[in-house]
Amino acid sequence: NAGVMQNPRHLVRRRGQEARLRCSPMKGHSHVYWYRQLPEEGLKFMVYLQKENIIDESGMPKERFSAEFPKEGPSILRIQQVVRGDSAAYFCASSPDPTYEQYFGPGTRLTVT
Amino acid sequence: KNEVEQSPQNLTAQEGEFITINCSYSVGISALHWLQQHPGGGIVSLFMLSSGKKKHGRLIATINIQEKHSSLHITASHPRDSAVYICAVVPWETSGSRLTFGEGTQLTVNP
Repeated sequence: NAGVMQNPRHLVRRRGQEARLRCSPMKGHSHVYWYRQLPEEGLKFMVYLQKENIIDESGMPKERFSAEFPKEGPSILRIQQVVRGDSAAYFCASSPDPTYEQYFGPGTRLTVT
Repeated sequence: KNEVEQSPQNLTAQEGEFITINCSYSVGISALHWLQQHPGGGIVSLFMLSSGKKKHGRLIATINIQEKHSSLHITASHPRDSAVYICAVVPWETSGSRLTFGEGTQLTVNP
């Protein structure tokens, strides 16, 4: 059973471009969480999704950020018009049920130049 | 003040020493997680606790719900244990299981 997969592992974008980060949960997991780790800071919750639904997006910046988890395919975290402050490691985690432990992907390191 | 506080922030030990990392939280929770973040950045879930004590190999995690406190112990520490250890809680008022994280404890075990 493959673990949580994220791609790309490293992404470089110029200011103003769009960044798309993908997360494929473990097989059988329908709950996906996105977290962000800014340089030299701790992890922060961004958004919690279940298939085709956003359950909790209270950690998402109000502008430029969106997330989806379609019926088929990976979960996508989309950042429009990236700025330098978006440079961070973005981790997704999945679980089969919200009361179960979460399994983390390897992360996508976004660098905005 | 953070909802989740860890101590110490940094810890250096000699191989073989017994290590304790502490986590205190200020909100009601449904579960507490201990995570390990490797130097390369990957995150591994070590334990999920809602009461009592769990043991896995040389790692032991305990939680006292009344005192809002958890500890992670490492027995017979080894240089490969060097990593950042992160405490995270699931606050009662959140939907699902979104995690609120401590700042992490950087552990270095010297040979």
